[in-house]
Amino acid sequence: DTAVSQTPKYLVTQMGNDKSIKCEQNLGHDTMYWYKQDSKKFLKIMFSYNNKELIINETVPNRFSPKSPDKAHLNLHINSLELGDSAVYFCASRKRESNTGELFFGEGSRLTVL
Amino acid sequence: AQSVSQHNHHVILSEAASLELGCNYSYGGTVNLFWYVQYPGQHLQLLLKYFSGDPLVKGIKGFEAEFIKSKFSFNLRKPSVQWSDTAEYFCAVNAGNRDDKIIFGKGTRLHILP
Repeated sequence: DTAVSQTPKYLVTQMGNDKSIKCEQNLGHDTMYWYKQDSKKFLKIMFSYNNKELIINETVPNRFSPKSPDKAHLNLHINSLELGDSAVYFCASRKRESNTGELFFGEGSRLTVL
Repeated sequence: AQSVSQHNHHVILSEAASLELGCNYSYGGTVNLFWYVQYPGQHLQLLLKYFSGDPLVKGIKGFEAEFIKSKFSFNLRKPSVQWSDTAEYFCAVNAGNRDDKIIFGKGTRLHILP
């Protein structure tokens, strides 16, 4: 059983297209995140949801829109894809209440924009 | 806002050498600190974490880290590295006052020569 699962793992698409990445966790966590890892391996936080409520919204173009239908799912939709969006997108989750909980990461979704 | 800096971007060692990777953070309050490892082509996994108590923390695979509050540091150590330790290592911090944002350093690429 994969604790944090993302689909698709690989995504190759043309500039200007719209695409979505889905994430699900079966750990019973209440807080989920999206991170972007660029070609230099730098991990940058994008969004976080707690119990379907947006709690972190970093400086991200509004072409990126997260959606959390329930606390076990956090999807990322990207409109009008650009070359600079090429990266690995990691979903992660944690239990918020203790505030000492670590992040559990998914395996990543590698997005390539041509 | 908190930030994390990792001084070594790329470290090359021979097997059995001792390892120390530097991590400094900037935040004046209580912090939770983490080290994650990312093996080639894989997702991030937790090596160890500190949130209170003994400042010397032991993690998996023989790794340990020491929290030195006066130096705002959380350096990662291993007395004798193995070829299988080749990976990217990330230090991360979040403020201990129920801050949901977990910020990562830029990572250190560790290459172990057989």
